Amino acid sequence: DTGVSQDPRHKITKRGQNVTFRCDPISEHNRLYWYRQTLGQGPEFLTYFQNEAQLEKSRLLSDRFSAERPKGSFSTLEIQRTEQGDSAMYLCASSASGTRIGIQYFGAGTRLSVL
Amino acid sequence: AQTVTQSQPEMSVQEAETVTLSCTYDTSESNYYLFWYKQPPSRQMILVIRQEAYKQQNATENRFSVNFQKAAKSFSLKISDSQLGDTAMYFCAFMNYGGSQGNLIFGKGTKLSVKP
Repeated sequence: DTGVSQDPRHKITKRGQNVTFRCDPISEHNRLYWYRQTLGQGPEFLTYFQNEAQLEKSRLLSDRFSAERPKGSFSTLEIQRTEQGDSAMYLCASSASGTRIGIQYFGAGTRLSVL
Repeated sequence: AQTVTQSQPEMSVQEAETVTLSCTYDTSESNYYLFWYKQPPSRQMILVIRQEAYKQQNATENRFSVNFQKAAKSFSLKISDSQLGDTAMYFCAFMNYGGSQGNLIFGKGTKLSVKP
């Protein structure tokens, strides 16, 4: 169990550029979540995968945001035409079914700064 | 829609003392989970404790315990024998038990400082 890994840890970009973040969940976990956390706030849900299927999307996930989880392994979150309001910490979490149901394990996050 | 409210933006406690963090939530569901997560400075969020709503017994994990009042929709966290390493943001979170076992709904957090 190597934990949830996110890459990069920090990303600085100019407004209008596209960015992509990667999340590697705990290997046996079939559920993967993306959250966004702004300063002074709790994380807000963006989207959720079970295996490769994207099952829920928040209204926060505008058309500029897209997430994928090919083959039910790692996931990517892409933001197109970034805006200054996209500046935030993007957190990934994974969870398993069974007795530990509902417990999400978080990565360290990717901090995005849009200039 | 479910909401989670943490009314204490910041708290401090002396090392070895006990502190209680408050959380209230609003839901029309009867089956759900409640969590406390800890987010140390510049480090990842980790689970402190989980409570299943159908269980009347309050959850405990070593120095951490909860006071779950389902009728009052209250879920407070008590930290006993506070340690310097407990300094962190603490988030209360709600998850609906049914459906797709999806997202956590978080409060805004309480910043806890443990002073030597």
